[in-house]
Amino acid sequence: DVKVTQSSRYLVKRTGEKVFLECVQDMDHENMFWYRQDPGLGLRLIYFSYDVKMKEKGDIPEGYSVSREKKERFSLILESASTNQTSMYLCASSNSRYWAINEKLFFGSGTQLSVL
Amino acid sequence: AQTVTQSQPEMSVQEAETVTLSCTYDTSESDYYLFWYKQPPSRQMILVIRQEAYKQQNATENRFSVNFQKAAKSFSLKISDSQLGDAAMYFCAYRIRTSGSARQLTFGSGTQLTVLP
Repeated sequence: DVKVTQSSRYLVKRTGEKVFLECVQDMDHENMFWYRQDPGLGLRLIYFSYDVKMKEKGDIPEGYSVSREKKERFSLILESASTNQTSMYLCASSNSRYWAINEKLFFGSGTQLSVL
Repeated sequence: AQTVTQSQPEMSVQEAETVTLSCTYDTSESDYYLFWYKQPPSRQMILVIRQEAYKQQNATENRFSVNFQKAAKSFSLKISDSQLGDAAMYFCAYRIRTSGSARQLTFGSGTQLTVLP
């Protein structure tokens, strides 16, 4: 089975800190995604990448950046963490740039980030 | 812009009974996909079922089935013979078919399902 691993399950940071959330997938998937999950809002796409060094903004990219230097690793960066970035962050991957009906996202177990 | 609405933040069902989770969506497109994802307490999102909009036949996966009403833009999930392991947050999601961009996957706000023993 595909495994998507997020480096931390829980993380507590201070306002203004630079925060790195790491995600690694082990199935050579082309696409990788970062979502943010908030109660009552569902999942919202922050950034995605369909190839090494390639990235595209999602629906809520403000305050975030990403890095994909290797195919298996996709990092989400909070340059200066703020309290409104307290949330659950989910990483996902899929294996085709152009989705078909039988494509599906494989998710990590999430990182609950608290910014104090 | 496409929107997905789940109007039931919480639902509960007795074990072995049937429950239906509601989802409506708004789109001007005619060709798209719809999905139900499950997020158990482990937080690992799992694809439950998917439906192609151009197919009139409702999708079925074991105890899970959908009622897809294209004209009404409704996509409900029915869980039959509910089991304790079905307890989870369920998300409805939409994606346009013709776009190659993954950003078009839009999620609803979720329904927390409790299964009572």
